Amino acid sequence: QTVVTQEPSLTVSPGGTVTLTCASSTGAVTSGYYPNWFQQKPGQAPRALIYSTSNKHSWTPARFSGSLLGGKAALTLSGVQPEDEAEYYCLLYYGGVVVFGGGTKLTVL
Amino acid sequence: QITLKESGPTLVKPTQTLTLTCTFSGFSLSTSGVGVGWIRQPPGKALEWLALIYWDDDKRYSPSLKSRLTITKDTSKNQVVLTMTNMDPVDTATYYCAHQVFDCTNGVCYNWYFDLWGRGTLVTVSS
Repeated sequence: QTVVTQEPSLTVSPGGTVTLTCASSTGAVTSGYYPNWFQQKPGQAPRALIYSTSNKHSWTPARFSGSLLGGKAALTLSGVQPEDEAEYYCLLYYGGVVVFGGGTKLTVL
Repeated sequence: QITLKESGPTLVKPTQTLTLTCTFSGFSLSTSGVGVGWIRQPPGKALEWLALIYWDDDKRYSPSLKSRLTITKDTSKNQVVLTMTNMDPVDTATYYCAHQVFDCTNGVCYNWYFDLWGRGTLVTVSS
């Protein structure tokens, strides 16, 4: 069974920069896995942020960016705002099977 | 404007079959490259993908739940239905449906994503 791994938790100061990563148990993550990133706040549905590694949806704030980094998918938040405190999930597409990561709880402190 | 809304029972008994309906607007499930997926989230836990149906009626299931899931679409009603058999208390979760796009041209695929989600519906499995 394929497992997608994210950091369980990260803490960042307001105005700082933080990178969240998404690793695959099958090996290096490539663009062919079409990495997606989602933000979820308590009591809300997930909100899509990034698709196909680095593409932003029309509603995605400019401070969010996606990339591939060291064999993983990465989500970087630059100039973090207090409202960015949330759970972040990545998704990888394995040619017909979709797997979500376990999520990263981002604390802005 | 794309919207999706999940509906179904809030409480089911163990061993029963769950039937959930996703009613959507703002897109057609007969349009090439479009799909609807189901995702669930147990309380306090991570998202888990369940199933996906594409515009061409191609259906995909989570390998771990495949034997219990069936996904169908009714294009004329703008609905996607998910059934899950033999429900267990561990299946207690919020169930979401989401709009999906698979962007391919001449056999080359450029994008795959979920973008817009419903608000979800909480299903509790208990006797």
